[in-house]
Formats: sequence, C-alpha cells, structure tokens
Amino acid sequence: GESVGLHLPTLSVQEGDNSIINCAYSNSASDYFIWYKQESGKGPQFIIDIRSNMDKRQGQRVTVLLNKTVKHLSLQIAATQPGDSAVYFCATSSGNQFYFGTGTSLTVIP
Amino acid sequence: NAGVTQTPKFQVLKTGQSMTLQCAQDMNHEYMSWYRQDPGMGLRLIHYSVGAGITDQGEVPNGYNVSRSTTEDFPLRLLSAAPSQTSVYFCASSTSSYNEQFFGPGTRLTVL
Repeated sequence: GESVGLHLPTLSVQEGDNSIINCAYSNSASDYFIWYKQESGKGPQFIIDIRSNMDKRQGQRVTVLLNKTVKHLSLQIAATQPGDSAVYFCATSSGNQFYFGTGTSLTVIP
Repeated sequence: NAGVTQTPKFQVLKTGQSMTLQCAQDMNHEYMSWYRQDPGMGLRLIHYSVGAGITDQGEVPNGYNVSRSTTEDFPLRLLSAAPSQTSVYFCASSTSSYNEQFFGPGTRLTVL
C-alpha cells in the first residue's frame, strides 16, 4: 500500500502572507499527485495536480512542487486570503488507486 | 451539468440493516470511486470502477459491494451495517485515474 502524510495538522497564516503545506509519500511508484481543498460540510475540490515527469507546476496563486528523490510534495499558496481557510489534502496515485493524506487545516488570520 | 450527485445526504441505520448509497454523474466519466472519511483521517478508497461492467477493490472494501451497470451510476451497498461503518461517504468521478476527480457532496451515515 501507500502511506501519505502531511507534516503539520494545522497551519495559521496572516492574510496576505504565503502559505506552504507539505506532504510526504512512501511509494516510489506513485506517478500522479493532486492537491484538494475541503471546506466544512463539502466534498473535496481539486486545486492542482502534477505528474511524475514534472517537478513544478503553477496555477492561479498556487504552485505545487514535487521532489521524487525524497518523496515530498508541497503546495504553495500566494497572498493567502480568508477564503483559503479550509482543510487541504494531498493525494497520490499509482495505477488506479488513490491514497490521501490526513489533511492540514489552514486558518487565515485577517 | 449537475456534476456528481449523491443520495441520501444523511442516513441513520441500525446494526445489521442494509442499504444502498446512490451516486450518479452526468459528465460521461469512465472512472468512478467511493471513499469514506473518518474524523482526523484522510479519505480512504473503498471501491473503484474504470468503466461500465468493471469494478475493483480499494484500500478498505470489506462490508461493501459495488456494481457499475451504466457509465452514469455507481451505487455502494452496505450488506450488514456495523457501527464501524459510521462515516461520511464521498463518491467521485473523472475521465481517468490520471485526471482531476470531481467529488459529490457526501452522505453522512450513522450506524447505531
């Protein structure tokens, strides 16, 4: 199986600062990586993904970094806003199965 | 498009009862999956399907059955509910297992 863990269960940042959420995975065969955002009472919402042939991918205010050597994934959120407050999950996939981390709860302080 | 829909939103069962959680998508996605989410834990894959007529087990399949007779629908059956199955259940769909998954709103199940 796969073990996916996040480094910090909670993270508080000031509005306008950058946020970094980290994730470690165990399966070197994992080749697809995704970050999801989950607001209270809702299903997870896709943020950004990256495949194993890349080490960086940028979206709108978000960047995902992948370090396959140390099996580490990070999500960077630029200029964090109150609407970014949520639980963030990383997920990995090899073949047809997805494995999720336990989530980091991000709180944005106005 | 309605996206991924799940019914019911809430359900309370007694131990030993059976029920089916419904999931439907209108995006013509081939890949569909069921997850359970317990407090303080991430989502864990129960079963998945890569297309109509094809299903396979995920990380935690015991006590659950699935079928995929159409592309649109992927019901999850609890055969004999147990308190350990108290959880929030999410259905998701995507074009493939290497693409963005779209999640439904979830079903909150309590087994007494």
